[in-house]
Amino acid sequence: DAGVIQSPRHEVTEMGQEVTLRCKPISGHDYLFWYRQTMMRGLELLIYFNNNVPIDDSGMPEDRFSAKMPNASFSTLKIQPSEPRDSAVYFCASSFREARSPLHFGNGTRLTVT
Amino acid sequence: QKEVEQNSGPLSVPEGAIASLNCTYSDRGSQSFFWYRQYSGKSPELIMFIYSNGDKEDGRFTAQLNKASQYVSLLIRDSQPSDSATYLCAVHSGGGADGLTFGKGTHLIIQP
Repeated sequence: DAGVIQSPRHEVTEMGQEVTLRCKPISGHDYLFWYRQTMMRGLELLIYFNNNVPIDDSGMPEDRFSAKMPNASFSTLKIQPSEPRDSAVYFCASSFREARSPLHFGNGTRLTVT
Repeated sequence: QKEVEQNSGPLSVPEGAIASLNCTYSDRGSQSFFWYRQYSGKSPELIMFIYSNGDKEDGRFTAQLNKASQYVSLLIRDSQPSDSATYLCAVHSGGGADGLTFGKGTHLIIQP
């Protein structure tokens, strides 16, 4: 099993630009989560999907953030326009069936907005 | 607001000793509890999970849960330098909310 795959690993962009982060969950996992990690706030849940349907997006900081899951093997997190305060490591994670199951994390995308 | 609290450390432990990591949580309805280890620049990886009150052992690791006190701990026996990392406590509250709430982590340093 290849695990959760995220791309890109690093993204450096200028303020105002659009950023798209990508995630491929583990095959068979029906829950997908997007987390953001910063030193100040730790790991924060942004949004999660069950069977490709967004269930809870209350963690999305503002309308500049959007996420989609068009099929069971692909999800995107988009920031438009990006701001310096969006700089963080963004993790995608997936789990199997029960939401209380352990999460399997991807390697993360380190985003720097200048 | 659901909160998970951990001492940020650093917690320094001599090699071969027992490292004790602690976590408290605010939501009394929480049902599942997880410990993740995160090396610098890497993603979190699962170490242990526990659902019931009491102790659960896996090799050198023991998770302890006390729901009445809303307290979870992780013991690492015979600590090794490779155990040096940040340990994240995560709680699943249930009740329809499926995401894990993470503490900010405790930075553990094992001194050779």
